[in-house]
Amino acid sequence: AQSVSQHNHHVILSEAASLELGCNYSYGGTVNLFWYVQYPGQHLQLLLKYFSGDPLVKGIKGFEAEFIKSKFSFNLRKPSVQWSDTAEYFCAVITGGYQKVTFGTGTKLQVIP
Amino acid sequence: GAGVSQTPSNKVTEKGKYVELRCDPISGHTALYWYRQSLGQGPEFLIYFQGTGAADDSGLPNDRFFAVRPEGSVSTLKIQRTERGDSAVYLCASSPQTVNTEAFFGQGTRLTVV
Repeated sequence: AQSVSQHNHHVILSEAASLELGCNYSYGGTVNLFWYVQYPGQHLQLLLKYFSGDPLVKGIKGFEAEFIKSKFSFNLRKPSVQWSDTAEYFCAVITGGYQKVTFGTGTKLQVIP
Repeated sequence: GAGVSQTPSNKVTEKGKYVELRCDPISGHTALYWYRQSLGQGPEFLIYFQGTGAADDSGLPNDRFFAVRPEGSVSTLKIQRTERGDSAVYLCASSPQTVNTEAFFGQGTRLTVV
């Protein structure tokens, strides 16, 4: 069965610092990859997604992620974080068709003003 | 409605009781999913509906859990003889099709079994 690993459970950054959150998945076939964000008290929202094509994916709010097939990775990046980026971030993968999404355990990001 | 709606938003029940959690998907979405998120964990898949039928219920933890979607729209997750370990946030998601699209999540129902 596929699995998703997020390396950082809790990240604390100052505003304007650069962000990179690691995500690795285990599955050898075709994958669809996602990053979801959950702001405090709110529901899960899609940040960005990769289905095919350009492995560098740009999402909302200045986030981007790069799919590196050889490394089974889909790391999330943002050049300069803001206090409003404080949230929990989940990497997720779909394999083989419908939306049986496998989520990572999440990374809590705290941005200090 | 504009998004996936789940009711109630919070439910506290006593151990051994029966509960029902409701999900109202986005209008026109044929696919519906239930997930469970325990504290400190990512959401875990429970069951997937395509239309009225449960296409994959492999994530249901045991036979105390059951879900229905009789008319292909609203879904109800039913838990019998609740246990303290069932305490979690139960998330519902829907999507317009099953491939190459993301799922849209509701705000969840926080179930607490005391």
